[in-house]
Amino acid sequence: QSALTQPASVSGSPGQSITISCTGTNGDVGAYDYVSWYQQHPGKAPKLMISDVSDRPSGVSDRFSGSKSDNTASLTISGLQAEDEADYYCSSYTSTATLVFGGGTKLTVL
Amino acid sequence: EVQLLESGGGLVQPGGSLRLSCASSGFTFINHAMSWVRQAPGKGLEWVSAITGGGVSTYYADSVKGRFSISRDNSANTLYLQMNSLRAEDTAIYYCARPRVVAGRSYFYYGVDVWGQGTTVTVSS
Repeated sequence: QSALTQPASVSGSPGQSITISCTGTNGDVGAYDYVSWYQQHPGKAPKLMISDVSDRPSGVSDRFSGSKSDNTASLTISGLQAEDEADYYCSSYTSTATLVFGGGTKLTVL
Repeated sequence: EVQLLESGGGLVQPGGSLRLSCASSGFTFINHAMSWVRQAPGKGLEWVSAITGGGVSTYYADSVKGRFSISRDNSANTLYLQMNSLRAEDTAIYYCARPRVVAGRSYFYYGVDVWGQGTTVTVSS
């Protein structure tokens, strides 16, 4: 159950777009469309931003989008805003009937 | 209002035990699989365990298998996590997590749309 691989940090200026990658294996990300993305502000519980690779729950801004290619999933945030500054985590179902998270990515809005 | 409220955290010595509880309200508890997710201080999220709505099937991360046990009481709308043989590396905030329902089905690997506020477990001598 190795953690999915995410960049430790990404940054962007207000209004720009950024993409956070989440790399797994053909036993998790590559095998199932059960990839989710979470946003977590300091001291708060995580918030679901994307489910099932690209499904955006009700109430989540359409500036957030998800995709997947082979063993890598991606979260794209367009039109960056100051309030987007947070930690982001991906997760995936695995072939051993478990769930695995990525190590997390700290997004800084410059 | 949909709510999850964890309790039972605290300070415990290595090798000790704790039982966490998660009281739910505002939704039909039995219709949802449930999970526990933890976060060590300054670290990322780690999935710990999950259970189906009826409580028949359970799932565990390798790091806790054989030491932790998940269960639920659907008559009391409450989720539990029995933690035995605790280690320093189990120190974390433990979140109760409810996966979303899609097409009337709830599986633990669906995205978690409801989180509790967390309860802190510290394993130290």
